[in-house]
Amino acid sequence: GENVEQHPSTLSVQEGDSAVIKCTYSDSASNYFPWYKQELGKGPQLIIDIRSNVGEKKDQRIAVTLNKTAKHFSLHITETQPEDSAVYFCAASSYSSASKIIFGSGTRLSIRP
Amino acid sequence: ETGVTQTPRHLVMGMTNKKSLKCEQHLGHNAMYWYKQSAKKPLELMFVYNFKEQTENNSVPSRFSPECPNSSHLFLHLHTLQPEDSALYLCASSQDLSSGAMGSYNEQFFGPGTRLTVL
Repeated sequence: GENVEQHPSTLSVQEGDSAVIKCTYSDSASNYFPWYKQELGKGPQLIIDIRSNVGEKKDQRIAVTLNKTAKHFSLHITETQPEDSAVYFCAASSYSSASKIIFGSGTRLSIRP
Repeated sequence: ETGVTQTPRHLVMGMTNKKSLKCEQHLGHNAMYWYKQSAKKPLELMFVYNFKEQTENNSVPSRFSPECPNSSHLFLHLHTLQPEDSALYLCASSQDLSSGAMGSYNEQFFGPGTRLTVL
């Protein structure tokens, strides 16, 4: 079955700097890659997603890139702010198995003032 | 708020107790999910319901028993749990389980979770 690996497990960056979180997946049939942000005491919330027919997607300060050949995808956060501190999860799924999102193990991002 | 509520938010129970977790969504969705979130582990899908029918049981022990009386409510009945079952239990919902066509994936909306401690 699908396996999603996420690195790093913890990340600390200076406010204003960029943060990058990387994931790899194993199932070549995966074609949908959401990213979730989980703040303390809350459930995960979708922040951005990318489908296999595009290589990059951007939404203000966050961007995702996808390399289907290498089975890599990454989350980039620029100009980090204190409110970006949270746990971030990457995930992979396929349209043929829409109920099954396989999550990575999470990255705890801390923004230093 | 995401439109998905869970009660209770915290629960402490003994191994011989019977308790239930409740999830309610106010989004008009037709698919609902239970996930288990343990420390330093990926979210684990437990059960999926689509239009009140169970479509997925991810090899979950029988001491966890789900119930979906309608598309808006989902329960997880707990019986004779083990200490290793202590975790955050998350409920989620999505429009439905579309599949096949490109672009048919539906975003899942998560509740805040129930923090369960089994003594």
